[in-house]
Amino acid sequence: GAGVSQSPSNKVTEKGKDVELRCDPISGHTALYWYRQSLGQGLEFLIYFQGNSAPDKSGLPSDRFSAERTGGSVSTLTIQRTQQEDSAVYLCASSLPGQSYGYTFGSGTRLTVV
Amino acid sequence: AQTVTQSQPEMSVQEAETVTLSCTYDTSENNYYLFWYKQPPSRQMILVIRQEAYKQQNATENRFSVNFQKAAKSFSLKISDSQLGDTAMYFCAFMKRFNNDMRFGAGTRLTVKP
Repeated sequence: GAGVSQSPSNKVTEKGKDVELRCDPISGHTALYWYRQSLGQGLEFLIYFQGNSAPDKSGLPSDRFSAERTGGSVSTLTIQRTQQEDSAVYLCASSLPGQSYGYTFGSGTRLTVV
Repeated sequence: AQTVTQSQPEMSVQEAETVTLSCTYDTSENNYYLFWYKQPPSRQMILVIRQEAYKQQNATENRFSVNFQKAAKSFSLKISDSQLGDTAMYFCAFMKRFNNDMRFGAGTRLTVKP
């Protein structure tokens, strides 16, 4: 597609439920990133995929968080047993490998855990 | 590890005036890239300007320019002739060369007043 697409745009879920957030990167972009942005805060790195290499999961805050990328394209971030502190905007970005021009971001998914 | 610091959580400027946003970073690397991103209320992160560390000349993009001081590890953003549409969060970011891992500062919320 022309840009990075994220769905849903907004998600409200009950505490303890599992949620899945989807990211569809720009076609041909082999690098894909997930960031979390809490209210009024900066971007917190979560996970990074590069082609067929093992993902860099060093930013995932707990084992309730996981992500996969199927076929080197679409990625899904899953949060199990959601907690109120998981409420945030989850941003996805993609880039070409070794891309020095930065990332292209999606518009994010605003997750609210009630 | 690289860290990026934005010491101004909030700033305001009158329309048509000039404002400078500060950013400092800490790294032992010699080759890297620096970025300023704008995040309006739509949540979409937009690349404003990019600087290559091995270039001494400061990058400019229309009304946006940077003051890159490599020895001081400082990378400030100057917005000239501020417009109401410049109201947004601004994030400074660092990326090592040949490495897609981008790290962000906490952001500066800029308000342009009519």
